[in-house]
Amino acid sequence: LAKTTQPISMDSYEGQEVNITCSHNNIATNDYITWYQQFPSQGPRFIIQGYKTKVTNEVASLFIPADRKSSTLSLPRVSLSDTAVYYCLVGEDSGAGSYQLTFGKGTKLSVIP
Amino acid sequence: ETGVTQTPRHLVMGMTNKKSLKCEQHLGHNAMYWYKQSAKKPLELMFVYSLEERVENNSVPSRFSPECPNSSHLFLHLHTLQPEDSALYLCASSQMGRPEQYFGPGTRLTVT
Repeated sequence: LAKTTQPISMDSYEGQEVNITCSHNNIATNDYITWYQQFPSQGPRFIIQGYKTKVTNEVASLFIPADRKSSTLSLPRVSLSDTAVYYCLVGEDSGAGSYQLTFGKGTKLSVIP
Repeated sequence: ETGVTQTPRHLVMGMTNKKSLKCEQHLGHNAMYWYKQSAKKPLELMFVYSLEERVENNSVPSRFSPECPNSSHLFLHLHTLQPEDSALYLCASSQMGRPEQYFGPGTRLTVT
């Protein structure tokens, strides 16, 4: 399984853009990169996923360089409600099309008024 | 209802009890998962089902017994649990061939 490394915590002021970088040096050819957000005592919420280059949706952008050994989640203009733990995961096909996700400790983002 | 639902949301049980957690997904997915999240620990994958067949069992103790009767429902049967099994149990589903998973709200389990 590809291991991921991301900062333990980050602070940001409201309205700023936040970039969280994750390294995954031993990512495999077939692995996808996914990011999740989790609030206390709730299930993680899928944010975005990508394989290479840049992906953007209504919530965030994901930048993946050509070597795919890292990825950066970009949250534009964060608000207090974005305070949460953000997980970077590299999914491995468990067989028959299901994916085994190995969660790390994630990055605790604190948004300050 | 939409998404992934889990019942009950909270459960307190003694070590000699038998209980079951239920998960239902309304997304048309065909893979389902059980995770455990203990206090201040990362989520741990417990079981994976794909097309109702178990494809992964990460060395989970036999006091946890999963059941997947169809692609929309997943159960976790609990018996003779230990206090260290107290945790948030999360269910997730996905579409085969897609890496993103959709999680339910979880069941907060307390073993006394």
